[in-house]
Amino acid sequence: NAGVTQTPKFQVLKTGQSMTLQCAQDMNHEYMSWYRQDPGMGLRLIHYSVGAGITDQGEVPNGYNVSRSTTEDFPLRLLSAAPSQTSVYFCASRRRERSGELFFGEGSRLTVL
Amino acid sequence: RKEVEQDPGPFNVPEGATVAFNCTYSNSASQSFFWYRQDCRKEPKLLMSVYSSGNEDGRFTAQLNRASQYISLLIRDSKLSDSATYLCVVNRLTGGGNKLTFGTGTQLKVEL
Repeated sequence: NAGVTQTPKFQVLKTGQSMTLQCAQDMNHEYMSWYRQDPGMGLRLIHYSVGAGITDQGEVPNGYNVSRSTTEDFPLRLLSAAPSQTSVYFCASRRRERSGELFFGEGSRLTVL
Repeated sequence: RKEVEQDPGPFNVPEGATVAFNCTYSNSASQSFFWYRQDCRKEPKLLMSVYSSGNEDGRFTAQLNRASQYISLLIRDSKLSDSATYLCVVNRLTGGGNKLTFGTGTQLKVEL
């Protein structure tokens, strides 16, 4: 049982480049989300999805796009990377939006030069 | 004021000590509460939910005080393996659905 799988684990980008962080879960969870974690800021919600075909913005959505074509996958796209997007990104899922336990992926460390 | 506030620590305690963390939340409409544990350079994992009546899981006890709007985590007989950052998480129902807000975490270092 893999849980939530994120790739890549590490990435270095130059300003202006684009990339996609992949996230997949095998628990048949309806709810999936992307967070970024920065020192002193806590985890902040970027985008989330309550089911296939449904996405919505979180607290810090600017500069990021998401899509949810299947229950399993929820990729995060950085359109034009900026140094302010240097962070650790976590994908997380839960069975339903109302259930409390979030299952996190191992994280993706992104550096934008 | 932040919606969820925690003392960042670090709390340096000797093995076997009892240590307690508090977390305050600002929105009285908050409905459910959790403690997550995050090891260094790892992902957060659910430690325990916090119920109104208080709940215990082995050496860990969580309590909720709605009147004063804080939750607490007590760790008895600390182990070296308890060294981690403990995240307070508050869930609130909004017009856009359930909103989970994470505290910035309290760092615990258990020493020999």
